[in-house]
Amino acid sequence: QPVLTQSSSASASLGSSVRLTCTLSSGHSSSIIAWHQQQPGKAPRYLMKLEGSGSYNKESGVPDRFSGSSSGADRYLTISNLQSEDEADYYCETWDSNTRVFGGGTKLTVL
Amino acid sequence: EVQLVESGGGLVQPGGSLRLSCAASGFTFSSYAFTWVRQAPGKGLEWVSSISTSYSTYYADSMKGRFTISRDNSKSTLYLQMNSLRAEDTAVYYCAKIHVAAGTDYWGQGTLVTVSS
Repeated sequence: QPVLTQSSSASASLGSSVRLTCTLSSGHSSSIIAWHQQQPGKAPRYLMKLEGSGSYNKESGVPDRFSGSSSGADRYLTISNLQSEDEADYYCETWDSNTRVFGGGTKLTVL
Repeated sequence: EVQLVESGGGLVQPGGSLRLSCAASGFTFSSYAFTWVRQAPGKGLEWVSSISTSYSTYYADSMKGRFTISRDNSKSTLYLQMNSLRAEDTAVYYCAKIHVAAGTDYWGQGTLVTVSS
C-alpha cells in the first residue's frame, strides 16, 4: 500500500508564500492525492484533488491563494499571500482499491 | 448543503463496545462510498474503515476483527460498530464522504470516543 511523507512543520510570514510537500512512496508516484486543511479545534476540510500531471481541482469556496502542483512523486500545496487563518495542519491523502492513507501532516505556522 | 453528523461517542471501559452513527443529508446517500477516519489526541489522521456503494468493506489492519462498518441507505446513515475497545482506540472519529478519484471530500464534525477504566 502507498505511504505518504510530509514534513512535520513549516512556517512563513504573513503575506508571503509557502509550499508544502507530500511525497508518495516508491511504486505510487503517479497516484492522485487530496489535500486537507485542519484548523485548530475543527474537523478537516477538503481543499483539492491533485494529479501526478500537476492538474488540480479545488473544492468550491477554497480561496484562489491555494494551488497545487506535482513533480515526480512529490505533490505540492502552495499558499500565496498567507493569512492568519491559514495557520493549520495540512494533510495529504491517497488511496488504492482497498485502503486509504494519510500523511503525517504538516503544521503550518504563520509568523 | 452536504451534512454529515456523527453521534454515539462517549466513555467506555476497555474491552467494551460502542456503535457510532453518521447521519447524512444534502445528497443521494446511496450513490457514494464512505469512510471512518480517527484522530487520537494531538496526533494525525488515521484511516479506520471504508464501505463502497455495493457494501464492500475495508479495514485498517489494527481494526480488522474488532470494528464493523455498515450502511443503511434507507436511513442515509453510516455506522461503525466497535468491539473489544482498547485505550489506544481513544480518538475523535470522523465520518466522511468519498468522491471516487478525488478523495474524501466532505467531513463530519467528529465524535469523541474515550476508552478508559
